[in-house]
Amino acid sequence: GESVGLHLPTLSVQEGDNSIINCAYSNSASDYFIWYKQESGKGPQFIIDIRSNMDKRQGQRVTVLLNKTVKHLSLQIAATQPGDSAVYFCAENNSGGGNKLTFGTGTQLKVEL
Amino acid sequence: SAVISQKPSRDICQRGTSLTIQCQVDSQVTMMFWYRQQPGQSLTLIATANQGSEATYESGFVIDKFPISRPNLTFSTLTVSNMSPEDSSIYLCSAQQLSGNTIYFGEGSWLTVV
Repeated sequence: GESVGLHLPTLSVQEGDNSIINCAYSNSASDYFIWYKQESGKGPQFIIDIRSNMDKRQGQRVTVLLNKTVKHLSLQIAATQPGDSAVYFCAENNSGGGNKLTFGTGTQLKVEL
Repeated sequence: SAVISQKPSRDICQRGTSLTIQCQVDSQVTMMFWYRQQPGQSLTLIATANQGSEATYESGFVIDKFPISRPNLTFSTLTVSNMSPEDSSIYLCSAQQLSGNTIYFGEGSWLTVV
């Protein structure tokens, strides 16, 4: 069946460095993708989204890249800060399938001082 | 962005009992969903809460175990019935904004069944 997965379960970066979190998806019908940040004890927090008609979208310190050819999604965080430490989930959505999100397994980002 | 409030935020429940979780959104939304997240794991969709009609359940989840209500556009409940320790989990309500596709989440309800 369709699945969304992450390449790296844990990512450690130095404060101030850039972070790149990767995600692979398998449902070619997916047309909308979201990155969430989940801090310990909290619900998932929306970070940034991208539609399948785009290949790049930028927010504040974050950039999402979408490569539909290889079904790959990445989240880039510039100048990573201690407050960025969290688990990051990618999620895919097929808007023709009821707007249900399928989540990846998650990547734990650890920012080292 | 929509603000989603869940009650209770945390509870310890006795085996065999049932608990109802409430979800309130501060603005009108189109779709509402209930997810489960077991400790250290990703989110799994339980069901889509449909206004005025029966919820649509995902494979592995049934109405008898997880009855859901959605009486209006901004409120939904999820009941976890006849709980066992395996039901210990975080239960998350989410909603899709009326405009756009963005889906937001509540802070979750952390249930421990003893």
